[in-house]
Amino acid sequence: EAGVAQSPRYKIIEKRQSVAFWCNPISGHATLYWYQQILGQGPKLLIQFQNNGVVDDSQLPKDRFSAERLKGVDSTLKIQPAKLEDSAVYLCASSSPLAGGFEQYFGPGTRLTVT
Amino acid sequence: GIQVEQSPPDLILQEGANSTLRCNFSDSVNNLQWFHQNPWGQLINLFYIPSGTKQNGRLSATTVATERYSLLYISSSQTTDSGVYFCAVFRSFGNEKLTFGTGTRLTIIP
Repeated sequence: EAGVAQSPRYKIIEKRQSVAFWCNPISGHATLYWYQQILGQGPKLLIQFQNNGVVDDSQLPKDRFSAERLKGVDSTLKIQPAKLEDSAVYLCASSSPLAGGFEQYFGPGTRLTVT
Repeated sequence: GIQVEQSPPDLILQEGANSTLRCNFSDSVNNLQWFHQNPWGQLINLFYIPSGTKQNGRLSATTVATERYSLLYISSSQTTDSGVYFCAVFRSFGNEKLTFGTGTRLTIIP
């Protein structure tokens, strides 16, 4: 079974530029999550989708971050414009209530550096 | 929200040694996961263990839900075990988030 796929793996941009990350969850997983992990800390949830609907985006900085999951499968997270403090690893995860509930599986992450 | 604390924060061991990592949480949970984050940043699922004991090779985990803690045991450590170990907990009521602990950084010296 293929795992969660993410691209790109690394991205370096200048502040005020825009960037987009892509995630393809495990096949059949209805729930998709985006996390931000700053160096030295645990991951923090940014947004959770159930199929193509948003369940929780309370910690998403909506003035600059946006995310979509239009067909209920893959998802895109965008930052526009980027700030220095956005430098972090962005992790995508998925889970399936049908597969026994709450276990989340993570992709390899995208390491973003904002200069 | 729920608080998750891990100990010790750092651990340095010789190859072949055994170790115990602890995770304490402040409220009842439906889900507890242990992850290993390798030096490349990948979060690898180790255990999904809201209660009871599980074993996988040299690793085992025990969660005592009534006392709100979980333990991860690593036996006969190898250099590839190095990295950061996170526990993360989740409560389904109120659609709460998967909350990660502070992590334990394990370094195995050859």
